[in-house]
Amino acid sequence: GENVEQHPSTLSVQEGDSAVIKCTYSDSASNYFPWYKQELGKRPQLIIDIRSNVGEKKDQRIAVTLNKTAKHFSLHITETQPEDSAVYFCAASILTGGGNKLTFGTGTQLKVEL
Amino acid sequence: DTAVSQTPKYLVTQMGNDKSIKCEQNLGHDTMYWYKQDSKKFLKIMFSYNNKELIINETVPNRFSPKSPDKAHLNLHINSLELGDSAVYFCASSLPSAGGYTFGSGTRLTVV
Repeated sequence: GENVEQHPSTLSVQEGDSAVIKCTYSDSASNYFPWYKQELGKRPQLIIDIRSNVGEKKDQRIAVTLNKTAKHFSLHITETQPEDSAVYFCAASILTGGGNKLTFGTGTQLKVEL
Repeated sequence: DTAVSQTPKYLVTQMGNDKSIKCEQNLGHDTMYWYKQDSKKFLKIMFSYNNKELIINETVPNRFSPKSPDKAHLNLHINSLELGDSAVYFCASSLPSAGGYTFGSGTRLTVV
C-alpha cells in the first residue's frame, strides 16, 4: 500500500519568514496530493491540493509543488503569520470513481514566532 | 450549519463497555470515512462507505463495526472497549472524484 513520509516533524520560523514542508510517497499510481492544517483541538482542514497532471499550484501565500519522477511534493508558506501555527499534514491517494483512500504523513508542527 | 457533524464530542467510558459514535453530513457527498488519530497525531483510515456500501475496511479489530443506514450517515460501534482504543475519531466525507475530505469535529474517546 501507499506510504507517505513527511519532514520535518517540527518547524519553527520567525514571523514573515517562509516555511517549507516536504513529503515523499511510495506508490507511483497516486495522483492526488492534498495538504491539511489542523489547529489545536480542531478538525483537519483542507488548505490546498494538487493533482498529478500539474507541477505547481498557488493560493495566495501557500503553494504546493509536485515532482512525480522523484515522488515528492512540498508545501511552501510565504510571509508566515502567527495564525499559521498548526500541525500540517500531507496526504496521497489514487482518485477513483468510488472511495478516495487518503494516506497521511506523520504531520509537521509549525510554530511561527513573533 | 455544520457540514459534517459528529456526536458525542467527548466520550469517557470504562474498559469492556460498548459505545457508539454517530456522524451525519449535509453536503450531498457520496463517500464517508472513519479515521483514527492517535496520541502522536497520526491519522489512519479505518473504514469507508460509498453510497451505503463498504468499500474500505482496513486492518481494524472486529470489535469495531461501522454502519451506514443511508449515504448521509455513518456510525461507528465499538464493542468491549480497550485502553488502546483511546484516541480522537474523525468522520469525513467527500465526492467520489473531488478528492478532498471535509472532516467532522472529532470524538475524543477516553477509555479508563
